[in-house]
Amino acid sequence: GAVVSQHPSWVICKSGTSVKIECRSLDFQATTMFWYRQFPKQSLMLMATSNEGSKATYEQGVEKDKFLINHASLTLSTLTVTSAHPEDSSFYICSAGRDRGYEQYFGPGTRLTVT
Amino acid sequence: AQSVTQLDSHVSVSEGTPVLLRCNYSSSYSPSLFWYVQHPNKGLQLLLKYTSAATLVKGINGFEAEFKKSETSFHLTKPSAHMSDAAEYFCVVRENTGFQKLVFGTGTRLLVSP
Repeated sequence: GAVVSQHPSWVICKSGTSVKIECRSLDFQATTMFWYRQFPKQSLMLMATSNEGSKATYEQGVEKDKFLINHASLTLSTLTVTSAHPEDSSFYICSAGRDRGYEQYFGPGTRLTVT
Repeated sequence: AQSVTQLDSHVSVSEGTPVLLRCNYSSSYSPSLFWYVQHPNKGLQLLLKYTSAATLVKGINGFEAEFKKSETSFHLTKPSAHMSDAAEYFCVVRENTGFQKLVFGTGTRLLVSP
């Protein structure tokens, strides 16, 4: 149990376009979802926390207009990178949790490359 | 604010020898601590967690960690390294308030030679 999927696993897009990444909890209801970003050979940095049905809470320094997060249901959260640029190329990982994230389960990650 | 410090960016061992990955934490409250492993281009896998029960925590694949409050440490060990253990390891502390955020250490890359 407690499986989290991400789609797509890998995406290439052109500079200036937008890309959407999905995070799904497959066998449980996730009241809270977290989005992380990982640059090559670096650690994970929390970008934002989202609760189902409410606006996401962004970490300091993360542009909320650039990284749009929607947590529309208890099993789905989406991250949209708007007007992507090469510096947005990164590994994006989501985690899903119950009880405000007391137990978090990680997705396999999405590698975004912006050309 | 809570934080973790992983003292080594890289650790190299030979197959069959012990593994020690060091982690120190900083926390105002009784922390919850985790070790995660990440293989290349893969997601995170939970190895073990400490949540104020037994101080010696056993995890998967033969790994264990000991919570030492006096030393503010949570080092990860394994008696005998296997080639498949080569990966990136992250020590993580959880904020036990609000949204239970996880704060990641900078990671330690474990290299295992034959």
